[in-house]
Amino acid sequence: GAVVSQHPSRVICKSGTSVKIECRSLDFQATTMFWYRQFPKQSLMLMATSNEGSKATYEQGVEKDKFLINHASLTLSTLTVTSAHPEDSSFYICSASRGEGEQYFGPGTRLTVT
Amino acid sequence: AQSVTQLGSHVSVSEGALVLLRCNYSSSVPPYLFWYVQYPNQGLQLLLKYTSAATLVKGINGFEAEFKKSETSFHLTKPSAHMSDAAEYFCAVRGAAGNKLTFGGGTRVLVKP
Repeated sequence: GAVVSQHPSRVICKSGTSVKIECRSLDFQATTMFWYRQFPKQSLMLMATSNEGSKATYEQGVEKDKFLINHASLTLSTLTVTSAHPEDSSFYICSASRGEGEQYFGPGTRLTVT
Repeated sequence: AQSVTQLGSHVSVSEGALVLLRCNYSSSVPPYLFWYVQYPNQGLQLLLKYTSAATLVKGINGFEAEFKKSETSFHLTKPSAHMSDAAEYFCAVRGAAGNKLTFGGGTRVLVKP
């Protein structure tokens, strides 16, 4: 149990466009979902924490207007990168928690902005 | 506040040799500690976790870690490395009352035949 999926696994978009990444908990209800960003050969950096039905809490330095997070249901959270630029190219990973504190990670989404 | 330091960004071991990955943490509250493995272009898989029960924690794939409060350490070991152990390993800490994870910088393991 505790499977988390992400879609798409890879996406290439042009500079200035927006791209949406979905994170789904497949076999449990996720009270909290987390979005991370990972640059090549680096660790995971938490971008934001979202609870179902409420606004996301963003980490310091993360632009909330650029990285829009929606957590509309207990099984789905979306991250939209608005007006993407090449420096937004990264590996985005989500995780989901069902309230006991443990996080279950998705397989990640590789975003390339050209 | 909490933080994690992983000593050594790269570790190279021979197949069959001991794997030792070092992790030191700081936390203002009793910590929950985790080790994750990441294969290329994939998410994180939980290897093991410490949640204040036994100080020696056994995980998947033959890995284990020992929580040493006096040394604020949670080093990961495996007695005999296998080629499939080549991956990136992350140590993480979470405060008991919170749910945010703080990750170390990661250690890339290379296994030589």
